[in-house]
Amino acid sequence: QLQLQESGPGLVKPSETLSLTCTVSGGSIRSSGYYWGWIRQPPGKGLEWIGSIYYSGSTYYNPSLKSRVTISVDTSKNQFSLKLSSVTAAHTAVYYCARLHLLLFDIWGQGTMVTVSS
Amino acid sequence: DIQMTQSPSSLSASVGDRVTITCRASQNISKYLNWYQQKPGKAPKLLIYAASSLQSGVPSRFSGSGSGTDFTLTISSLQPEDFATYSCQQSYSTPPTFGGGTKVEIK
Repeated sequence: QLQLQESGPGLVKPSETLSLTCTVSGGSIRSSGYYWGWIRQPPGKGLEWIGSIYYSGSTYYNPSLKSRVTISVDTSKNQFSLKLSSVTAAHTAVYYCARLHLLLFDIWGQGTMVTVSS
Repeated sequence: DIQMTQSPSSLSASVGDRVTITCRASQNISKYLNWYQQKPGKAPKLLIYAASSLQSGVPSRFSGSGSGTDFTLTISSLQPEDFATYSCQQSYSTPPTFGGGTKVEIK
């Protein structure tokens, strides 16, 4: 069945760029009608959508983070990626990748904890 | 952005209890409301979509209802594996937004 797996550094310094990759297995990232997205969850807090991308490269970002966020896709590797620039301690969170259908998150990765600290 | 407000933020219940969690949207979202279950250290799992449709594989003791701005998630008979945090999410408009979560604990 379809699985998603996040990867990337668990520790990022303040003012640097957080970079994560989500690898899709058991299915194609080119599946029609599905977007691929990133969601974060600060410790002890609720979930926040960061942004989404279609395999064609079309993107949607949360306005609250839009100035810092870039999401890209590599269909040859069945992967999509997140870059979040100029991070601060407030960006410390578990970051999840997920598949979306009509803004519904139906399959999630296991999540990866990213701590912003010097 | 559409704000999603859940109540209560936590509750204590016993195995076999009927549990009801409420979610309120800041504007009319029709039936574009989804519920997720999250256990500690795990990713959220989709339970219910479109307010009342059960995701495949989810036990029938879970049910959802509501439309417009007010929604409920009901667990008819709480089981040990149901102790978790439950979050609602609107899929009516971008950005999709989540409620703050309701933690269901063992009494």
